[in-house]
Amino acid sequence: QQQVKQSPQSLIVQKGGISIINCAYENTAFDYFPWYQQFPGKGPALLIAIRPDVSEKKEGRFTISFNKSAKQFSLHIMDSQPGDSATYFCAASGATGRRALTFGSGTRLQVQP
Amino acid sequence: SAVISQKPSRDICQRGTSLTIQCQVDSQVTMMFWYRQQPGQSLTLIATANQGSEATYESGFVIDKFPISRPNLTFSTLTVSNMSPEDSSIYLCSVDQPSGSPDTQYFGPGTRLTVL
Repeated sequence: QQQVKQSPQSLIVQKGGISIINCAYENTAFDYFPWYQQFPGKGPALLIAIRPDVSEKKEGRFTISFNKSAKQFSLHIMDSQPGDSATYFCAASGATGRRALTFGSGTRLQVQP
Repeated sequence: SAVISQKPSRDICQRGTSLTIQCQVDSQVTMMFWYRQQPGQSLTLIATANQGSEATYESGFVIDKFPISRPNLTFSTLTVSNMSPEDSSIYLCSVDQPSGSPDTQYFGPGTRLTVL
């Protein structure tokens, strides 16, 4: 049973636009929510992460919004650039003391010039 | 962040053979993880490897098929045994950040395995 649901599966955005990717989780014991960026042929790279004690975290053009009551979190990429074209994965950890990550299904982002 | 290397980066293997993948970290880390990423799919945890203890496997993964070694705090190996085409995947190791947030995980570049 998938514990982290991610949408959309794919996303096309124009250069300069805002990319939004959403995730929802089921297990309320999760307490750490990272986002990873993966380019073809590369391992996932940590982009930004949040804990449930804050509702938003911003690093440069990347922002995580977190809604604890709805058990949802999202990634916003402002001023999207062609170089942002990659696959993005949300993840969660912390359930029952586990530190291994449970990943969403991934979103393939394409930013058109 | 920790620098993680994996060997080999890719390999093409015959059905029924075994391949051992190495993961080397440039600093000591407590926990190492092995994930599988099937073509076009997300990452699935295979096992957690702690130094000095048996690896802990996730449901659907068994030690006979994916034996893991963790001889020290900077190195681990994953063996894919008796391979079949269904084992064709990218295999990734990851580690906890040795300092700072213990929940932060960093990934190696992956080993792309093709089984014929």
